[in-house]
Order: sequence, then structure tokens, then C-alpha cells
Amino acid sequence: GESVGLHLPTLSVQEGDNSIINCAYSNSASDYFIWYKQESGKGPQFIIDIRSNMDKRQGQRVTVLLNKTVKHLSLQIAATQPGDSAVYFCAENQGGSSNTGKLIFGQGTTLQVKP
Amino acid sequence: DAGVTQSPTHLIKTRGQQVTLRCSPKSGHDTVSWYQQALGQGPQFIFQYYEEEERQRGNFPDRFSGHQFPNYSSELNVNALLLGDSALYLCASSLPEADGYTFGSGTRLTVV
Repeated sequence: GESVGLHLPTLSVQEGDNSIINCAYSNSASDYFIWYKQESGKGPQFIIDIRSNMDKRQGQRVTVLLNKTVKHLSLQIAATQPGDSAVYFCAENQGGSSNTGKLIFGQGTTLQVKP
Repeated sequence: DAGVTQSPTHLIKTRGQQVTLRCSPKSGHDTVSWYQQALGQGPQFIFQYYEEEERQRGNFPDRFSGHQFPNYSSELNVNALLLGDSALYLCASSLPEADGYTFGSGTRLTVV
């Protein structure tokens, strides 16, 4: 079946520390993954994506790692700031190209940043 | 440039009623997808529209239907509302030549 899961429902970190949010997926044929940030009262906001032909991709303060062997991906946030507090979702794109497939979301990890 | 616009932002309906939610995609985007997000859960795919046709559908009953107009805007209709239909309904649009989706802020539907 199709499922995307996150390991921890809540992650609490100190401001300035690095955060790591994990996600496991079940479909070994999946080839495109996206991390989203969702703040209260808003829709999911794109953070970073990665294709299965890559192991790592970096953005501004964020890095996504993909381990296809164990079907695991992670989102690393460097120097976590209070504005990073939100729910983070990994999503797997299925059934089409990167802009036409359906997204399968995990349940989300709530990141709490302590000042 | 406006992003994805959804209306209304909130509404309350009674069990058994029907509801229509609206979505205007980001400028230039021609594909619109709808998702249902229950409280504390990740969004679940309902269906996707392209060229005014339903292109693919998730595991939702026929009470959920949609439409896409020539200007790419879209509607989600839900008939015979159940208490379990209470959720945040998200619209996402995408562009043919680029990766990814842009989400709206959603419509919060409460069924009482």
C-alpha cells in the first residue's frame, strides 16, 4: 500500500540548534519527494524537493537527504529560528510527473523552537 | 502576483446539506488539485482537474465532485454532508513546465 510516515509527532529544539525531521516511505518506486512547512491557519508551503536520482539537496538553511536503500528521507534545518516553528510534512509524488501526480502526505512533525 | 486563492475561508454547514468551495489557481497554472486535511493529519488527495476534466481521483466517495472552468478556476462540491467531512479543504495548483505545487490557505468546513 501507499504510506508516508514520520518518526516523531513532535520535536522540540533550542533556538540556534540544528533540527532533523525524519520520514519513512513505503513505495520503493517513488521518485520524487517534497518537504512542506505548514503554519497555523495556512496551507502547506514548499520547502525543498528531491528526486530519487539524488542523495542530497541543499537549500537556504535546509538540507534534504534521501536514503533509497532503507526508504528514508530527512529534513535538516540549520540554526533553527523561532519562525521555523510549524508542522512539517514529507510528501511523496505518485502517479505522474512532478507537477501532475498526486501527493501522499505523512502525518506531520510539529517543530517547537524554544527561545 | 496572487497565489492560490480559496473562498470562503470558513463556513459552517448542517448534516445533510451541500457545500461548494472555490479555488482560483496561481496565475498561469492550469492544473488544480483538491485535498482534505482533518485536524492533526496530513492532507489527503481528493482529485485533480486538468483541461476541465477530472484526471485522477483519490479514495473519496461520489459525494465529492468537482469542476474546472475555462479560466482554470475550480469548484469542489460535497453533497449530503457528514460530521466526518469537517476538515480543512486545500486547493493546489501547478504549472506544466515546472516542478511542484502551490497551495492555498484552505477553506475550514465545519459540519454540525
